[in-house]
Amino acid sequence: SAVISQKPSRDICQRGTSLTIQCQVDSQVTMMFWYRQQPGQSLTLIATANQGSEATYESGFVIDKFPISRPNLTFSTLTVSNMSPEDSSIYLCSVTGTGNRWNTGELFFGEGSRLTVL
Amino acid sequence: DAKTTQPNSMESNEEEPVHLPCNHSTISGTDYIHWYRQLPSQGPEYVIHGLTSNVNNRMASLAIAEDRKSSTLILHRATLRDAAVYYCILRDGSLYNQGGKLIFGQGTELSVKP
Repeated sequence: SAVISQKPSRDICQRGTSLTIQCQVDSQVTMMFWYRQQPGQSLTLIATANQGSEATYESGFVIDKFPISRPNLTFSTLTVSNMSPEDSSIYLCSVTGTGNRWNTGELFFGEGSRLTVL
Repeated sequence: DAKTTQPNSMESNEEEPVHLPCNHSTISGTDYIHWYRQLPSQGPEYVIHGLTSNVNNRMASLAIAEDRKSSTLILHRATLRDAAVYYCILRDGSLYNQGGKLIFGQGTELSVKP
C-alpha cells in the first residue's frame, strides 16, 4: 500500500492568484496522477505526472494553467494558475502501487485539497 | 477509453446483500475491471479488481460475466458505512498505451437504510 499526504488540505484564494498543491508518498511509486473533482461531480483526470519529464495532460487541460512537477518517485506538485471561481474544486493526487503489478493493480488516493476561489 | 454504464443510484437495507451492476460492452483484452468507492468528504478508495475470473476479498466480491461485457460488485451484508458512490472503471493494463490511469464515470450512489 501507499500512504499519501496532500498539502494544503484546504485553502481560500483570491481570483488571479496561483496555488501550489503538494503530494508526498511514503514509498517510491511508478505513476502519479492529478484529478479534479468539482462540486457534486465525479473525478476528472487532469494529467499524469512523469518523473523527470513534462506531464501528460488530458484533453481540456494545459500546462500553462496546471503546471506539474515530479522531481522524484515520491513527490509531485500541481499548481493552479491565475485562478477563477470556476477553479473551486477538490484536487486529488493518486498513485499506483509498487512492484511488478503497478500497471494492473489498485490505485491509492490522497484525501484531496479543497480549493475555494473568491 | 472504454466506457462503463452504471445506474445513477441504488438503495439497500442494512445487513442485506447489495448487487451493483456495471456494463462495459466495449471492453478490450487488456482492460482490468476496477471498483472504487468514495465515502462523503474522502478520496476514492479501492474496493476490488479483476480481469476474467470472479474475485473475493474482505470488502466485496466481483462477479465477471463470461464475455466480460458486464460485471457485478457484491457487498454481502451492507452496513451504514457502505453508503458511498461506487465507481466501476476499466483500467488499461498495457504498458505501452498510457496504461495505468483511471477514467471515472458518474458512478452509482448507494444509500443504505437502517
